[in-house]
This record gives sequence, structure tokens and C-alpha cells, in this order.
Amino acid sequence: DVKVTQSSRYLVKRTGEKVFLECVQDMDHENMFWYRQDPGLGLRLIYFSYDVKMKEKGDIPEGYSVSREKKERFSLILESASTNQTSMYLCASRGGSKQYFGPGTRLTVT
Amino acid sequence: QKEVEQNSGPLSVPEGAIASLNCTYSDRGSQSFFWYRQYSGKSPELIMFIYSNGDKEDGRFTAQLNKASQYVSLLIRDSQPSDSATYLCAVKQDGGFKTIFGAGTRLFVKA
Repeated sequence: DVKVTQSSRYLVKRTGEKVFLECVQDMDHENMFWYRQDPGLGLRLIYFSYDVKMKEKGDIPEGYSVSREKKERFSLILESASTNQTSMYLCASRGGSKQYFGPGTRLTVT
Repeated sequence: QKEVEQNSGPLSVPEGAIASLNCTYSDRGSQSFFWYRQYSGKSPELIMFIYSNGDKEDGRFTAQLNKASQYVSLLIRDSQPSDSATYLCAVKQDGGFKTIFGAGTRLFVKA
């Protein structure tokens, strides 16, 4: 079974803090993704990576950065958290054409 | 026009009935099609995938693909209250990086 894990299920941070969300997959997949999901807006792609140290902006990259130093790990960084970044963050990993999601991190920025 | 369109619902069906969920897509280059189930507060779970025209069955689920008409559907037979969830349709081009997701259809199965 594909396993995608995320570092936290729930996270509460203060405005202006730097936030790290980590994602690890155990299937040697090359492609990894970060999404956020908000009610009424569906899944929105923030960044994706198709190989180690390779990254591409998705549809809503502003206010975020990513890091992929190892194939199995893809990190999302909020440089200076803001209240409008309160959301559910979902990491995904893809092998071939099938994409699998981690359990999600519900981030609240106060 | 959205790339992947789904009726947001809610779709309400009685227990034991067939639930029919539909999805249309705009890119004729799309080659891979997926259905995800998402329970409230949880992450999407891949339940079906289909690559060729026609039907694909897996237990109570059947995915149907018609590339000429650019639609894909999911049928759930003998619907159970535990099937109540949001179902996301997803589409990927062959060789493309992005998987495009629809906004999802909420399904309620009434006991």
C-alpha cells in the first residue's frame, strides 16, 4: 500500500510565524504535490515537484515556498503565516498516473 | 468553462439504491480518469480509475468513460449510509504534470 504521511494533523500558529509542513512518501514516487482545500473552493494546487530539488509553481504559490532535498520528502513553508492561510493542507504523491493523498494538516493561523 | 465540472449536489438517494455521479471535462487530450471519495474532515481516497472507453467494475462501484462525449461517471450500487461523502472526479493528460480535480459532488445515502 502507498503511504503518504504528514507531520501534523492539527497545527495552530500565530500571524507572522514561519511554518513548516512536512510530507513523506514511501513508494519512491518522483512527483509530489501540495494543495490547500477550502470550503467552496475545492482543491487548489500550491506547488509541485517532479524530482529532487525540482519544483514548479501551482495555481496559488504566493506566500508559500517548498523544499525537496530528498526524494521521499516534500516540505511546504509558509514564510510569514497570515490568517488567510488558515486551511486544510494536503500533500499528495504520484506514481504513474495514480495520485495518493496524505491525511492532511488542518492549520489555523490566529 | 471549468476544466472538470461536477454537480455540487447534494445528491440524496435511499439506502439500497443506485447512486449516479457525473463529471465532464474540457481537455480532449485527457487520458487518465479517477474518482476519489472524501469523508468530512478527511483527505481524498482513490477508489476508482479508468483509462479506456467503456465500463470498469470494482465491487459495488462502476466507472464509465465516454471520451467522445468527454464525460466520466461513477455508479454506486446498493448504496449504504457509509457511502455518504463527497466524490471528486479527477482528470490527467498523458505526460502532463497536473491532475485536475473537480469541485466534488456531495452524496447522502438515507437509511
